[in-house]
Amino acid sequence: DTGVSQDPRHKITKRGQNVTFRCDPISEHNRLYWYRQTLGQGPEFLTYFQNEAQLEKSRLLSDRFSAERPKGSFSTLEIQRTEQGDSAMYLCASSPSGMTEAFFGQGTRLTVV
Amino acid sequence: AQSVSQHNHHVILSEAASLELGCNYSYGGTVNLFWYVQYPGQHLQLLLKYFSGDPLVKGIKGFEAEFIKSKFSFNLRKPSVQWSDTAEYFCALKGGATNKLIFGTGTLLAVQP
Repeated sequence: DTGVSQDPRHKITKRGQNVTFRCDPISEHNRLYWYRQTLGQGPEFLTYFQNEAQLEKSRLLSDRFSAERPKGSFSTLEIQRTEQGDSAMYLCASSPSGMTEAFFGQGTRLTVV
Repeated sequence: AQSVSQHNHHVILSEAASLELGCNYSYGGTVNLFWYVQYPGQHLQLLLKYFSGDPLVKGIKGFEAEFIKSKFSFNLRKPSVQWSDTAEYFCALKGGATNKLIFGTGTLLAVQP
């Protein structure tokens, strides 16, 4: 399968715990994006990487959220001290340089109880 | 600020009916516009995109969309829907130098056989 891969697909955590999600983009895609989607809403942009550089961050990305892409390949999104409002689907997407079209993964559904 | 509005939140059609889903955007500069589809249990997939040139763009599975700059619209159309078109449809915008997509809230389409 050469699509965008996300792990885990589902995560249930207790409020206050830290969680980390992983995204493996399509091979050779140097652009990687994270979005968050809540029920009844479209995806909302969180952050964007070109290779290992984080070039854009949304105001939605509070100081409890951090994303990395250390070698310009896979990326991780960490949420510290989770809150119930963090419950959402976290989507990763990738694209080649020069293309605006983004290819999405199936997402990680986070439930904070 | 950039924004996307989708007027129809939930549409129910019978097979063979014609479809038009509304999308209006707010942005004063050059835009790239997209329609994504999410079938039940699957990831977001690109239906079609507009970058420049012919304002009538054709996508996969018989879908098309027309970019009307004067109306800030990018409506999605299909002359005859099938049961397999049941899905959620998202309009999205990329404006200016940013690399992020701004999504509408989505339209849930249910096609009855």
